[in-house]
Parts: sequence; C-alpha cells; structure tokens
Amino acid sequence: DQQVKQNSPSLSVQEGRISILNCDYTNSMFDYFLWYKKYPAEGPTFLISISSIKDKNEDGRFTVFLNKSAKHLSLHIVPSQPGDSAVYFCAASDDYKLSFGAGTTVTVRA
Amino acid sequence: NAGVMQNPRHLVRRRGQEARLRCSPMKGHSHVYWYRQLPEEGLKFMVYLQKENIIDESGMPKERFSAEFPKEGPSILRIQQVVRGDSAAYFCASRADGGRGNEQFFGPGTRLTVL
Repeated sequence: DQQVKQNSPSLSVQEGRISILNCDYTNSMFDYFLWYKKYPAEGPTFLISISSIKDKNEDGRFTVFLNKSAKHLSLHIVPSQPGDSAVYFCAASDDYKLSFGAGTTVTVRA
Repeated sequence: NAGVMQNPRHLVRRRGQEARLRCSPMKGHSHVYWYRQLPEEGLKFMVYLQKENIIDESGMPKERFSAEFPKEGPSILRIQQVVRGDSAAYFCASRADGGRGNEQFFGPGTRLTVL
C-alpha cells in the first residue's frame, strides 16, 4: 500500500521561477515529514523537514508547507536554479521507518 | 568525517547466485537501515538494525533475504538465490544514538542487476 504519493512524476520550470512539488499521504499517524533530493547514481540527501505541529518551515530558497487536514504537503523552491535539477522525494514517518513517495523529477531550464 | 559507505556500487549476479551488499555507517552511528528502490518507485523500508540486533525486519521478504550488523565490521544485506525481480538499488542509511529515528543519512546505494 502506497502511504505517500507524489502524483507528478516530472516538473519542468524556467530558471528563476518557482518550483512547487506536491505530496499526499494517507497515514494519520505520520508526525514528521521530509524532503530529499537525489542526483543520479547517488543516495538521497536531506533537504528540509517539518513536524506535524507546524504548518510551515523555511530554509533559504526552500519552504515546506503542511496541511494536516488535507494530508498534503508541498515544497516550494524559489528561485529555481539549474543545480536544482534532480529527483525530489517526499518522505513521512511516525517513528524511525521512512515511507517514501515515488519521486518527482525536476528539470530547471535556462 | 566520511559519510555512509556502501560497496560494491554495482553488482551483477546470475539467477541463483548470492549477493552480499555491505554498508559502513557514519562514524559514531550504531543504527542502520536498509531500503530498496525498484525502478520508477520510491525507496521502501526493509530492515532496521542496531549493533548485533535486528530491531525491525518487517519490510524484508520472508525468504532468501537476511541482514546483520555485527559488533565489528559493516552491516551486510545478503540475498540468496537471486531472481530477476531482485534487481534494484539498495540504499543503506545510518543515524546516531540519541538522534531522531528519522534523521537518517543515506549512502550512495548498491545497484544490483540480476541476469
């Protein structure tokens, strides 16, 4: 059963514009949410996270929004840069086990 | 401070052979997690180990797969009698004692191809 879903497999955005990545989850026990970035042939690297007691967390160009009632979170990247081209995974946990979405491939066009 | 190390990075096996994947956690980390990523899918939890103990293996297939994390040396994920469906990327992650369970640092992965 897919508890974390990223329904957009790909996203193309122009350099300087905003990238918005979406993620939905089904397990109401999840209390911590993370975004990872992954380049080809590398492991996922942590980007930003948010606890279920918050609805927004910001770190530089990256902001994560959490809507608990809708079981939805999003990642905003602004402005998008060429180095942001990668696969982005949404993950959720209620303890130590991370449940991942299938990923969204972001391509930033010059 | 070296990150999580995995070897080999690429492994090719024929059906029926054994695959051994190794993971050296970050220095000072005693918690290790293994995840598997099938093509076009996200990473899926397989097993959580602490030194010499398996804490949670609920994501491991019941047959052919085993994992260990001995007192000395790397964690090993062992797949016996591999089949084509085992072809995937296997990622190891580690965390420190006292850290949140979800503050996991990932290695570069081992890409297993079964011919």
